[in-house]
Amino acid sequence: ETGVTQTPRHLVMGMTNKKSLKCEQHLGHNAMYWYKQSAKKPLELMFVYNFKEQTENNSVPSRFSPECPNSSHLFLHLHTLQPEDSALYLCASSQPVGTRDEQFFGPGTRLTVL
Amino acid sequence: GENVEQHPSTLSVQEGDSAVIKCTYSDSASNYFPWYKQELGKRPQLIIDIRSNVGEKKDQRIAVTLNKTAKHFSLHITETQPEDSAVYFCAALPGGATNKLIFGTGTLLAVQP
Repeated sequence: ETGVTQTPRHLVMGMTNKKSLKCEQHLGHNAMYWYKQSAKKPLELMFVYNFKEQTENNSVPSRFSPECPNSSHLFLHLHTLQPEDSALYLCASSQPVGTRDEQFFGPGTRLTVL
Repeated sequence: GENVEQHPSTLSVQEGDSAVIKCTYSDSASNYFPWYKQELGKRPQLIIDIRSNVGEKKDQRIAVTLNKTAKHFSLHITETQPEDSAVYFCAALPGGATNKLIFGTGTLLAVQP
């Protein structure tokens, strides 16, 4: 167990639904990340939070809305998604920039958009 | 911005042979290069990393080499075992105050018993 948990592990939703993904880390880190992993593509960074502040938004469509209420929790709110948004969504955490850079990943949420 | 290319996309070796995966990067200011292993259905996990002030690092059967002049780094696995079968991702951290890792496209390594 790496100390990063994600729920749910699997999610099927229609294009008109609203759902949220949750990530929690128990490692005392202050940086958290959302990645999208699609088949035959590199891990795509979506958002970065350092000390609860969003420091990176990698041109992500507004139908994905992140929320970081504290350094241990990260959410990804989803609404009016498209079928091409189906992918594995991975959360990660690390020490903040300038310190140890290893990122610890959660198990991911497998999202299917119908 | 930084761009990382990784080759090959698939690699099949016999158990006991060595495997080499290569990555190139574009930003000469990049200073941290981790390698992640992702087994089927599991999360990526760091297996080794190297910083720009070091040319080589070894940890048992795995090693990473870095050539800053040529802007490429490689993962070497010796005496491969079936449990080494996985997807391996290289990544680069651009210079400056960022923790935005740029990943390669991954290499599917299959170790045949």
